[in-house]
Amino acid sequence: DAGITQSPRHKVTETGTPVTLRCHQTENHRYMYWYRQDPGHGLRLIHYSYGVKDTDKGEVSDGYSVSRSKTEDFLLTLESATSSQTSVYFCAISESAGTDTQYFGPGTRLTVL
Amino acid sequence: GNSVTQMEGPVTLSEEAFLTINCTYTATGYPSLFWYVQYPGEGLQLLLKATKADDKGSNKGFEATYRKETTSFHLEKGSVQVSDSAVYFCALSDAGKSTFGDGTTLTVKP
Repeated sequence: DAGITQSPRHKVTETGTPVTLRCHQTENHRYMYWYRQDPGHGLRLIHYSYGVKDTDKGEVSDGYSVSRSKTEDFLLTLESATSSQTSVYFCAISESAGTDTQYFGPGTRLTVL
Repeated sequence: GNSVTQMEGPVTLSEEAFLTINCTYTATGYPSLFWYVQYPGEGLQLLLKATKADDKGSNKGFEATYRKETTSFHLEKGSVQVSDSAVYFCALSDAGKSTFGDGTTLTVKP
């Protein structure tokens, strides 16, 4: 199994509070991704990174920011959490773009009350 | 933009039945195609993939063929087992970004 961990695995927070989710990899892969999974929507890309300090937006990036200061860590921040951001968040990595398989972390279940 | 449409679920089958989950796609370029599987409480994991037209991906008895003429990548298995119960996602990767279908839940009963 690819070495990907996510922390925390579960979090309950209140509307308006900041939240940071962490993704850590031990595979030295260049690409890292954050997705959210919601019933009826499959997986939707929030942000992705193609190298240290190199990030770009996905299809549902509003209300989220990311940072990647080291190859192994990719942080997702909700500056002011809203109930619509209640979801399961998955981190993924890939060695290169295009034809490469993505390897997924175990997910973080976030509940915003 | 790119999109993936897969067969709506849930799908319930008896053990040893034949499985087909349909997947069609729309892409502007020449994508790679994937099937991922998700077991309860876990992240997605690759089941099989195909990187060009007419390629067949296969793994654990599952197969899918990249059909450019019909823009399809249907998943098949000849004889399902209870352990195949999971959610299956069709996906494409094009120009560095992936697009996923909504997932199809498969339940196999003994």
